[in-house]
Amino acid sequence: SQTIHQWPATLVQPVGSPLSLECTVEGTSNPNLYWYRQAAGRGLQLLFYSVGIGQISSEVPQNLSASRPQDRQFILSSKKLLLSDSGFYLCAWSVGLAGYNEQFFGPGTRLTVL
Amino acid sequence: AQTVTQSQPEMSVQEAETVTLSCTYDTSESDYYLFWYKQPPSRQMILVIRQEAYKQQNATENRFSVNFQKAAKSFSLKISDSQLGDAAMYFCAYTPVGAGSYQLTFGKGTKLSVIP
Repeated sequence: SQTIHQWPATLVQPVGSPLSLECTVEGTSNPNLYWYRQAAGRGLQLLFYSVGIGQISSEVPQNLSASRPQDRQFILSSKKLLLSDSGFYLCAWSVGLAGYNEQFFGPGTRLTVL
Repeated sequence: AQTVTQSQPEMSVQEAETVTLSCTYDTSESDYYLFWYKQPPSRQMILVIRQEAYKQQNATENRFSVNFQKAAKSFSLKISDSQLGDAAMYFCAYTPVGAGSYQLTFGKGTKLSVIP
């Protein structure tokens, strides 16, 4: 069966510090991978998606970047965190790009920037 | 641009009763998919039910069913025989059909409380 992992589960970082959040998927090959941010009182906002190793598409220009060094690994990074980067970050995967394919979400990372 | 609106930030239902969560959307596409996702306090999102706009028949999954009104661009979720485990945030989501469809557009969510 497929599983998706995210770590860390929670993170508190000072403004201006770097960030690295990791997501890994097990039990599937060539997944499409996604990073979402969920701010308080708002829905999920797609930040990045990837259809393959080294292929990253950005939906929202911002202080964050993403990388996919391996087929089932997706990393969200920042060189210098801003207060506005605080939120709940969710990684997700799906098979294929067709809309009907379900996206499976990870447990999320709660990021607080102070 | 597509938008998804959930006009009920919070709702409550008595255990064993029925509740309906509302969702409207705006799109110029003729075919698309609609979803309801559930996010319980553990925060892991799970898919509850999905509907393809091309299909007129309303989707059902056990106690969960939808009322899909394409002309009105409405997609409500009905939960029958509500259980304590149904307490969660519920998000309505949309994506267009096609090779380029990858992005789920989410509403802001409805927090459902179940009263014992």
